[in-house]
Amino acid sequence: AQSVAQPEDQVNVAEGNPLTVKCTYSVSGNPYLFWYVQYPNRGLQFLLKYITGDNLVKGSYGFEAEFNKSQTSFHLKKPSALVSDSALYFCAVRDKSPGQNFVFGPGTRLSVLP
Amino acid sequence: GAGVSQSPSNKVTEKGKDVELRCDPISGHTALYWYRQSLGQGLEFLIYFQGNSAPDKSGLPSDRFSAERTGGSVSTLTIQRTQQEDSAVYLCASGGEGLNSPLHFGNGTRLTVT
Repeated sequence: AQSVAQPEDQVNVAEGNPLTVKCTYSVSGNPYLFWYVQYPNRGLQFLLKYITGDNLVKGSYGFEAEFNKSQTSFHLKKPSALVSDSALYFCAVRDKSPGQNFVFGPGTRLSVLP
Repeated sequence: GAGVSQSPSNKVTEKGKDVELRCDPISGHTALYWYRQSLGQGLEFLIYFQGNSAPDKSGLPSDRFSAERTGGSVSTLTIQRTQQEDSAVYLCASGGEGLNSPLHFGNGTRLTVT
């Protein structure tokens, strides 16, 4: 069975500081991994994905994520946070085996303080 | 291009009434998902359509919930005899055929059952 954990409900960071939103996963095979962001009263918006190859993936709005197979993690990072990055962030996993569904984590609320 | 469109954006209904929520996916997307999200919370999977395959209905919470997808495009989620606990935001997402294709979400329908 697939599962995704986001161990922090809330992350607070000062504007200009680096941010990290954590994600760990469990799949029986090899995963595709995704990050999404949700702003108030909007649907989820795709940020980036890991398919294969380079463990560091770069995405939209200056975000990046690092795939770590040994730690089964896919943490989202940004070198310098903006107040406008404040939102709800979701990690998602999909096993590469056919017929597997997306599994989303519970979400982490990021607050960037001015 | 056009994204995923959901209508109505807001729906207020009385307990016991039936409601229909509509989703227009991105043209050419073969995968279509429905999720439910309570206020500021995580995503609850409801149902998944992939091409002409039988839908995965494993997430539907009760037999009051049903969904169909006509012509491989537009989808309608129907809730019969609505209850107050059905109040939530209902999100639709569509995706390409590849397992590593990200989902593209609509802005959701906010359902309030009074």
